[in-house]
Amino acid sequence: SQQGEEDPQALSIQEGENATMNCSYKTSINNLQWYRQNSGRGLVHLILIRSNEREKHSGRLRVTLDTSKKSSSLLITASRAADTASYFCAILRRSNTGKLIFGQGTTLQVKP
Amino acid sequence: NAGVTQTPKFQVLKTGQSMTLQCAQDMNHNSMYWYRQDPGMGLRLIYYSASEGTTDKGEVPNGYNVSRLNKREFSLRLESAAPSQTSVYFCASSESPGRGSTDTQYFGPGTRLTVL
Repeated sequence: SQQGEEDPQALSIQEGENATMNCSYKTSINNLQWYRQNSGRGLVHLILIRSNEREKHSGRLRVTLDTSKKSSSLLITASRAADTASYFCAILRRSNTGKLIFGQGTTLQVKP
Repeated sequence: NAGVTQTPKFQVLKTGQSMTLQCAQDMNHNSMYWYRQDPGMGLRLIYYSASEGTTDKGEVPNGYNVSRLNKREFSLRLESAAPSQTSVYFCASSESPGRGSTDTQYFGPGTRLTVL
């Protein structure tokens, strides 16, 4: 499968701690995106990192990309209860018409 | 802007019944997508439309048909529903496919479909 694979499947932390989620993939990519899904809702785009970038920041989010290892990580710093959600990575393959391939997601629970 | 809207929010069908899920976007996006999400799984692409007038199969197209009615609207039809089609269905849109675009997708709230 060329699908993104995420690790861990579930993560439970205390408010204020950092949360790290990892994504691995198998194909050459154009970019990699992270999405959040709150329970019962649609996905919301968080951050995008292009294949020629190694790190990006957005507020409390930090994304890294290692194309040699075909992996990415999403770090959420100083987590809050409101960060409780499922997080999905999605890859856009290099030769592609815009279709994203989603991983199975990491479920994050932040305890107050 | 409403973004991406989907109707209905919930639906229960009996095996063999047909129905159409509606999706509309007001962001003037070229591309639209239909996904299904099953428990413990990511999203799987059913069909997509790279631009008005075109549609293509995704990963799991069997049992579904689509219509890109105009630039705003993209509908998904189940001709003869089966229990295996019980799922949450999401519609999404993006500005444009391919080079030069980020292909960030914007999602609707989903339709929860149960087939008995």
